[in-house]
Amino acid sequence: SAVISQKPSRDICQRGTSLTIQCQVDSQVTMMFWYRQQPGQSLTLIATANQGSEATYESGFVIDKFPISRPNLTFSTLTVSNMSPEDSSIYLCSAGQGRGTEAFFGQGTRLTVV
Amino acid sequence: GENVEQHPSTLSVQEGDSAVIKCTYSDSASNYFPWYKQELGKRPQLIIDIRSNVGEKKDQRIAVTLNKTAKHFSLHITETQPEDSAVYFCAAVTRGSGNTGKLIFGQGTTLQVKP
Repeated sequence: SAVISQKPSRDICQRGTSLTIQCQVDSQVTMMFWYRQQPGQSLTLIATANQGSEATYESGFVIDKFPISRPNLTFSTLTVSNMSPEDSSIYLCSAGQGRGTEAFFGQGTRLTVV
Repeated sequence: GENVEQHPSTLSVQEGDSAVIKCTYSDSASNYFPWYKQELGKRPQLIIDIRSNVGEKKDQRIAVTLNKTAKHFSLHITETQPEDSAVYFCAAVTRGSGNTGKLIFGQGTTLQVKP
């Protein structure tokens, strides 16, 4: 199994600013993903973080708003740019070996935009 | 793309009773179906999973069944206990996503087990 650490665990940010969330895995993983979970809702995939290349974004999410980096096989960042109150949510990092194997989750980052 | 529907959205049972949560998926190429349990304020935790070459899998009080023809899978919890109270999510991974392991989640079921 993989242990995933995310930071910050929570933050309160001013609208118009940006926040970068970090995700660190304790072992090399093939795949890393970023999800958003609105309060009381399900998990929505934002993008697949690709090592050494641009992330693959899901419909409704764009790179300018959610730039993602993945410099190596154990680390990724998600930036929420030019934040508005609608961006208030929990952001979760997930990692695994792909090919239909178990995916693990970080503890999430609870973001509040005021 | 894949779409996963989950029912019911809420489920309340008496301690000791069984609970069943059902999901349907749209992509016949999907090949991996995990179930996650999420307690309030915590991260989702995998509780059981099933692959498309298997029809049923059990782990103590938890079982999952898969009907590939009908494209649906179900979670069964027997002898429920108050600590089973949580939100449960089904998910599907489609082979069409390049085998990346990209998970598409159902809407979630809030299970309440009354003592």
